Amino acid sequence: EPEVTQTPSHQVTQMGQEVILRCVPISNHLYFYWYRQILGQKVEFLVSFYNNEISEKSEIFDDQFSVERPDGSNFTLKIRSTKLEDSAMYFCASSEWGVATDTQYFGPGTRLTVL
Amino acid sequence: QKEVEQNSGPLSVPEGAIASLNCTYSDRGSQSFFWYRQYSGKSPELIMSIYSNGDKEDGRFTAQLNKASQYVSLLIRDSQPSDSATYLCAVNFMIKAAGNKLTFGGGTRVLVKP
Repeated sequence: EPEVTQTPSHQVTQMGQEVILRCVPISNHLYFYWYRQILGQKVEFLVSFYNNEISEKSEIFDDQFSVERPDGSNFTLKIRSTKLEDSAMYFCASSEWGVATDTQYFGPGTRLTVL
Repeated sequence: QKEVEQNSGPLSVPEGAIASLNCTYSDRGSQSFFWYRQYSGKSPELIMSIYSNGDKEDGRFTAQLNKASQYVSLLIRDSQPSDSATYLCAVNFMIKAAGNKLTFGGGTRVLVKP
């Protein structure tokens, strides 16, 4: 069964460093998403991406964040200068269409620890 | 601010019993509703989706939607210890054609005791 994959599974970085989290969405899916979950808190939407453009972003997704689809398979989230409060699980998701009834499938997540 | 609320639990149920989970949401214009299961340290895994008022059954799971009351529930029949997890209610408050942003509740932790 096709699945979303993410690398690395765990990333440890120093405050102020740049990190890139990588995702490979399900191959025939057109819509891609990033969510994050701070330990013990809700899953929060960060950004949605379609046709090489951001279609929606949350207040969390400020200038320190960017997304890119550098090739036909990868989808990346970059955090330019990490802060302690960026420590969280980051989940990539993808869906086939962008309609309301579409299901989003989540990857296993990347645990980001900022020291 | 669009909100999704769930009782955090834990909801403790004996093995073989029915677990009943509730979720309320703030926006009447919400289009679709999803229940995800999340084991500790893992990613959300879809259990069920529901879009129309009424009940939808899938195996041991039944989702119920009441848009007038802005309420969605999940029943787990014949609960098993492997059902012990956090159950997340997610709502699509879709306002654009492109993209399908989900807003999650905080989750209900379910403990099934043998």
